Amino acid sequence: NAGVTQTPKFQVLKTGQSMTLQCAQDMNHEYMSWYRQDPGMGLRLIHYSVGAGITDQGEVPNGYNVSRSTTEDFPLRLLSAAPSQTSVYFCASSPGTVYEQYFGPGTRLTVT
Amino acid sequence: AQSVTQPDIHITVSEGASLELRCNYSYGATPYLFWYVQSPGQGLQLLLKYFSGDTLVQGIKGFEAEFKRSQSSFNLRKPSVHWSDAAEYFCAVGAAEYGNKLVFGAGTILRVKS
Repeated sequence: NAGVTQTPKFQVLKTGQSMTLQCAQDMNHEYMSWYRQDPGMGLRLIHYSVGAGITDQGEVPNGYNVSRSTTEDFPLRLLSAAPSQTSVYFCASSPGTVYEQYFGPGTRLTVT
Repeated sequence: AQSVTQPDIHITVSEGASLELRCNYSYGATPYLFWYVQSPGQGLQLLLKYFSGDTLVQGIKGFEAEFKRSQSSFNLRKPSVHWSDAAEYFCAVGAAEYGNKLVFGAGTILRVKS
């Protein structure tokens, strides 16, 4: 099992550019989530999904879109990058509601 | 609103000394609780979890945590710290009523003096 994988590991964008952060898991988990990590703020939930075709907003969804067409994949899209989106992004998956979440290695994004 | 507080931003302990990292939460439902550890440049690794039952839970790497409902706390402890324990530690809280959404504390950075 590869677990939760994320690509790319590092990315630099200019303001206004768009990109997609990829996340995949091979554990057949129904739940998947995207978090951003900023110094002194812990991890904050951006969007989450409870199964293929179902997504919902978390605490800080503005500026991000998600979709879940398969159980395995949960990409995060930045439509028009802003410097405030400079952060480390983590994808996580979980087999159910009352279970721990398994985290990917993260993507470090810088927007200039 | 749900919140998780880790009062200590940084903690420094000597190698071999005991450790306690504090976590307090405010939640409107029966919580389930986690401690995760993050080494520099790495993802988050689960140390331990509490869902129900015995309020003292054992985790990996010699860590344990105690759930105290009356104090809304879930403090992490280790009797003897090793240099390799230097990392950032996050407390996280969820509840079945809120689905799979976790709320994280801001983290505590542990430094170990040799």
